Amino acid sequence: EDQVTQSPEALRLQEGESSSLNCSYTVSGLRGLFWYRQDPGKGPEFLFTLYSAGEEKEKERLKATLTKKESFLHITAPKPEDSATYLCAFSASGGSYIPTFGRGTSLIVHP
Amino acid sequence: NAGVMQNPRHLVRRRGQEARLRCSPMKGHSHVYWYRQLPEEGLKFMVYLQKENIIDESGMPKERFSAEFPKEGPSILRIQQVVRGDSAAYFCASSPGGFHSGNTIYFGEGSWLTVV
Repeated sequence: EDQVTQSPEALRLQEGESSSLNCSYTVSGLRGLFWYRQDPGKGPEFLFTLYSAGEEKEKERLKATLTKKESFLHITAPKPEDSATYLCAFSASGGSYIPTFGRGTSLIVHP
Repeated sequence: NAGVMQNPRHLVRRRGQEARLRCSPMKGHSHVYWYRQLPEEGLKFMVYLQKENIIDESGMPKERFSAEFPKEGPSILRIQQVVRGDSAAYFCASSPGGFHSGNTIYFGEGSWLTVV
């Protein structure tokens, strides 16, 4: 069964303390791997799409990477405004390609 | 999130009433997806629609739930005879083409349903 697991469930960082969030997936064929950010009371905001192992994408303090089994969201020198829940999702190449989401990592960055 | 419009943002219904949630996709998008997010749980897919067609409803409960995306107007998610377990955030997303084409989906701000 295709599935996605995110870790850790929660992460507390000091401002400027870099870290990484993990997204492990089990899928027979990967169509795409997606990262979203979700603030409380808001809808998920799109960050990145990765399609193949070895691919990397960056946006400000965030960098997403992809291997054959997992994806990492690296946060460099985070700021309090980076506090949010980060969601990972994948689309499998078989079936209807509907994105399947993990439960997310809740990130809090303290000033 | 800009562009996908959902309303109402918050809705309170008594048990047994009907809830109707509306979603207007981003301009130029013709594909709509509905997800449900329960407290402490992830986003769960419900239904995927194109104009006048249901493409995939594998995540939709068999009873009381229905969805449509008419030729004119917004997509509607309808929940009949609501129960307390229906209390959740319902998110709509849209894409310009079918997801199989590789298009990313973009979410609205959600509709929060509370059943009392």
